[in-house]
Amino acid sequence: SYDLSQSPSVSVSPGQTATIPCSGDKLGDKFVSWYQQRPGQSPVLVIYQDDKRPSGIPERFSGSTSGNTATLIISGTQALDEADYYCQVWDSSVVVFGGGTKLTVL
Amino acid sequence: QVQLQESGPGLVKPSETLSLTCTVSGGSISGDYWSWIRQPPGKALEWIGYIYHNGITTYNPSLKSRVTISVDPSQNQFSLKLSSVTAADTAFYYCARRHRDFVGEAYFDPWGQGTLVTVAS
Repeated sequence: SYDLSQSPSVSVSPGQTATIPCSGDKLGDKFVSWYQQRPGQSPVLVIYQDDKRPSGIPERFSGSTSGNTATLIISGTQALDEADYYCQVWDSSVVVFGGGTKLTVL
Repeated sequence: QVQLQESGPGLVKPSETLSLTCTVSGGSISGDYWSWIRQPPGKALEWIGYIYHNGITTYNPSLKSRVTISVDPSQNQFSLKLSSVTAADTAFYYCARRHRDFVGEAYFDPWGQGTLVTVAS
């Protein structure tokens, strides 16, 4: 089965750029999506098809993929960006989520 | 704007069947894929399966033997049944619309608010 690996936690200072990696075999050959989940809330799609932002998602959210790694980038990080972030792919008719990264803004 | 709402019992006894329904509002269930995803408290998301509006299903292999997802277009609803539950099935259960713009992809938006199902006697 396909696996996605995420670092358990990432810390960033307000106003700085947060980078959240996600790794998997030949991940650059797949479409990667990212979800934000604030405490006590449902997940929200923030990036799809590697680097596309849904309507309503701030421009400070961006995504990239290369080789075996996908990266969610949050520029000018704000306190309200503190949340869990999950990467996700579709592989051989199966949906796979990463283990999630807790982003702390301090 | 499409909205989804889960409903069903919040407590299920071990060995029994968990049953949940997702009601879609603000749009038709026809022409799209609809999914169930769960999340044990404090843990990661786990995909359960999805159904096309015509009833074709795809399930997570790890749950396939216990899962049934069905759709009722007349009610704009789709449902989840998970049999022979144990404490390990205690989780927040979310319904979501699956998007498939290209072959070989899936992403989920929007999501329901989620419902906590606890398996305990």
